[in-house]
Order: sequence, then structure tokens, then C-alpha cells
Amino acid sequence: QVQLKETGPGLVQPTQTLSITCTVSGFSLTSYYMQWVRQTPGKGLEWMGFIRSGGSTEYNSEFKSRLSISRDTSKNQVFLKMNSLKTEDTGVYYCAREGRSDSYWGQGVMVTVSS
Amino acid sequence: DIQMTQSPSSLPASLGDRVTITCRASQDIGNYLRWFQQKPGKSPRLMIYGATNLAAGVPSRFSGSRSGSDYSLTINSLESEDMAIYYCLQHNEYPLTFGSGTKLEIK
Repeated sequence: QVQLKETGPGLVQPTQTLSITCTVSGFSLTSYYMQWVRQTPGKGLEWMGFIRSGGSTEYNSEFKSRLSISRDTSKNQVFLKMNSLKTEDTGVYYCAREGRSDSYWGQGVMVTVSS
Repeated sequence: DIQMTQSPSSLPASLGDRVTITCRASQDIGNYLRWFQQKPGKSPRLMIYGATNLAAGVPSRFSGSRSGSDYSLTINSLESEDMAIYYCLQHNEYPLTFGSGTKLEIK
């Protein structure tokens, strides 16, 4: 069955870089778009961006040049990297697979940005 | 960016009630509208896609509709398991944007 699981650092210091890995099973990354969504106290649910089945990416300009999404298809992993972290980036980060008529989300990983 | 104005933000209701939540899109999004349900500590769950289509496994008391730029989620005969926060999502244009959420709670 389709499964997604995010793993990440939990605590990140301001100005540092956040790295989260989404490990998937039950499907191929070359067949689906994979997106990242975060949920913060200040802005609720925010779409961050996605990587298409072919490997190209689309980003929310809100994150300007801070954000990078990549993948390793051989390991069934999708990666989120975001630099210059601020306290407002504290929240839960989800990876998700959005199909035409379905939607699978990971459990999310809580990230706290604090010194 | 397309703004999704969701109302109400809070909706007290009784078991057995019929309730409706609405999202208004600031620009045309066609039927590229999804509804999600989120319970505390859980990930969002897809309820409706394409504005009016029930996702797999979703009870038939849930339905979606559209009237112009207004999109609605209706729950007939509310059950206790329906108490959650509901969000709309437009995916017609980048960036994808969510509504601010409606917290459905027992009156």
C-alpha cells in the first residue's frame, strides 16, 4: 500500500538550513507528483512546492530562493531543503502525493526553529 | 495569488444537523477545488476532489457543490466523527492555495 514518511531534525537554529526526507513505498516517484505542504501557527496550511514525475520542480514564490526540492528515485526518497530559517518557519512539514482523484500524506514532521 | 476565502471559521453544530462550509475563490479556478478534513494530530484527508466528487472511502453524507466562484462542502446528518477542521484547496494555478479552515465542533 501507499506509504509516506517524513524524517527531519526536529529543532533547527535560526539562519540555519532545514533538511527533511520523505521516504515512500507502494508506488514509483517517476509516476506521481510529490509535493511539500507545511502547517504553521501563523499561516495555516501552505503549499511549498512539488517535484513532477519527470523531475522538474515548481515552487511557491513565497519561499523565494530559500527552497529546494529534489529526489532520489533509486531510494524512493524526496528531499526538502530550505535555508535561512526564521522562527516563523516553525511548524509541521508534510510530504504528499496528489493523484487525480486521491491524496496520500505522510504523518508530518514537527520542526521548531529556535536558538 | 488566488485567495480562497473560507467561512465560517468556526461552526458549532449538533449531531444530526446539516452543515455547509463555503470557500470563495478570488479568480476563476474552474473545478480545481479539493476539500480536506483534518483531525487533531493527524494529516489532512481528502474528502472531495474536482469540486463535487467524493473521494474513495468518504461517507455519502458528504457532498461538494459549486455556484460561480463559491464552492461548498455540505455534511448531512452530522456524526461525532465529523468533528474536525475542514480546508479547501485550489489547484488551478500556482501557487496552490488553501482556505483558512473551518473548525466544526459540537454545540
